[in-house]
This record gives sequence, C-alpha cells and structure tokens, in this order.
Amino acid sequence: AQSVTQPDIHITVSEGASLELRCNYSYGATPYLFWYVQSPGQGLQLLLKYFSGDTLVQGIKGFEAEFKRSQSSFNLRKPSVHWSDAAEYFCAVGAWSNSGYALNFGKGTSLLVTP
Amino acid sequence: DSGVTQTPKHLITATGQRVTLRCSPRSGDLSVYWYQQSLDQGLQFLIQYYNGEERAKGNILERFSAQQFPDLHSELNLSSLELGDSALYFCASSGGLAGLYNEQFFGPGTRLTVL
Repeated sequence: AQSVTQPDIHITVSEGASLELRCNYSYGATPYLFWYVQSPGQGLQLLLKYFSGDTLVQGIKGFEAEFKRSQSSFNLRKPSVHWSDAAEYFCAVGAWSNSGYALNFGKGTSLLVTP
Repeated sequence: DSGVTQTPKHLITATGQRVTLRCSPRSGDLSVYWYQQSLDQGLQFLIQYYNGEERAKGNILERFSAQQFPDLHSELNLSSLELGDSALYFCASSGGLAGLYNEQFFGPGTRLTVL
C-alpha cells in the first residue's frame, strides 16, 4: 500500500535561513507527488506537484522540490525562509488502488520561523 | 480564497447525534473530495464524488455517508457520533475525473466537536 512519511514533526529555522523538509514515499509505480501548505485556520494550498519529467520542480512562494526515485524522496526546499512561511506542510502521494484514486498525506511538518 | 466553500465553520454536538456538513465546489469543478483531519490520524481521505457519482472511497466509516447533488454541491452526513469523530473536515474540488493532473482546491474546513 502507498504511504508517505514526513520524518520531522517540528522544524525551527531562523528567518533568512535555508529550509529543507523531508518526505519519503512508498508506492510501487511512478508516483504523483504533491506538497501542500496549511496556515492556521486555513485550508490546504498546493505549493507544487510532480508527475513526470524534470525531477526538480518549482512551486509558488519560492519553494522547490526534487524527486529522487532511488531514495523514494520528494524533499521541499526554500533558499531563504520568511516569517510568513510559518505553517504546517504536508507531502502527499496520489495513487490508484482498488477503491479508486486518492491523495495519501503524510502527518505533516510544523515549521516555526524565528527572528 | 480557493473558491471552495464549506458550512458551517464550527459545529458542536453531542454523542449519538447526526450532523450534515455542506460543501460547494469551485465553479465548474465536477469532482468533490472529503477529508478528515485529526491529531492522531492526520489528514485522511474519506470519499470522492464526480458529477454525482461515487468514484473513490477511502477510510470512511459506515456511520458516515456522502452525496453530490445535481448542482454539484456535496454533503457529508455523520451519524451516531462518537467523541473520536471530533476533527476538522475538509472538502476539496477539482476539475477532472480523477484529479490526477488537476490540483485539488481545499475549502477552509468545518471543525466538528463532539461532546
């Protein structure tokens, strides 16, 4: 069965520092991978997605992610974090099963940005 | 603003009761998805409807049911409520059948508290 693991529950970075959020997936076929962000009291917003092609994908708000098939990873990166990036980040894999197509989400990583 | 609306924003009820959550998808979107977000289970896919028909099913309890109406709005019905059903329930919509190549746009959620 497909699954997504986000190893870091909480991450704290200083404003202006670089950021990397880890995501590992388990899926037999080529995965469809997503990163979503959830600000407090808000729904989820798509940051970026990977379906095929170039393994480095660019997203909104200066985020990028790299798909590494050999490591089953899809880590999210940002070169310089802003205070407004503090939020919950979710990695998800879109996959087919006997029950149809669905997004399977990781448990999320909470990002705290310090001055 | 994603264009997906959910009502009510908050719902407080007692164990054993039944509630209905409502979702209006973005204009033109045919697919509606329901998710449950709780502290212990994380974000879990419940069910998907496409143009009025059920298309995919996730970890949805038998006490829960959903439907999508001809005007494409959807309702999630939760019955015989238990304390463990307290969670944030999200609705998302997308334009395509499977959402494979289409972003899912999330509503702000309905927070259900069962006392």
